[in-house]
Amino acid sequence: QMTQSPSSLSASVGDRVTITCRASQDIISALVWYQQKPGKAPHVLVSGASRLESGVPSRFSGSGSGTEYTLTITSLQADDFATYYCQQYYTVPSFGQGTRVEVE
Amino acid sequence: EVLLLESGGGLAQPGGSLRLSCVASGFTFNSHSMSWVRQPPGKGLEWVSYVADSGHGADYSDAVRGRFTISRDNSRNTLFLQMNDLRVDDTAVYYCAKATSIGQSIYTWGQGTLVVVS
Repeated sequence: QMTQSPSSLSASVGDRVTITCRASQDIISALVWYQQKPGKAPHVLVSGASRLESGVPSRFSGSGSGTEYTLTITSLQADDFATYYCQQYYTVPSFGQGTRVEVE
Repeated sequence: EVLLLESGGGLAQPGGSLRLSCVASGFTFNSHSMSWVRQPPGKGLEWVSYVADSGHGADYSDAVRGRFTISRDNSRNTLFLQMNDLRVDDTAVYYCAKATSIGQSIYTWGQGTLVVVS
């Protein structure tokens, strides 16, 4: 089970944003972060907890180990207002509840 | 380019059935396990089911086990989800999702198909 926080946040362009996911057991960095925009399917930003997918801007980064993981956006851009989900793939896949990043 | 094209969604009555399909292209379909993931309107993502690359081996969430059946036809690059005994809380966008070539559930997603049970 994945517990993601916060469920929503308000931010401005240029802000640093941090989203956290906590697993109910050690998931050995088997964690992926997705971005989803309204009406669209999710797409991968980070896998293996910290491996940035090809084509994803370097302002996105993932970190963590064991049961605690973080997605950071260092300087929020207009295109980043979206909902973000974590998902563990160590066992049967499970998702965090999502974090909606909104305009402040 | 990986393409996953779902179809078969629509309106069903409680207790009814639907069969979803997902046609895949742009990758070697029979080398990848596949899953279905759903998203109720305005809510988060929920893993539904998985099938191995060979088609031998499947798993289901507790919410759908015994009612849904996943299958695949590797000769037609197509994934299926047979949904029986539908409930109102099965209402969701259903996404077809491709795992990585080494079986990790890091998903590439289709565009989804909406199922409404009412």
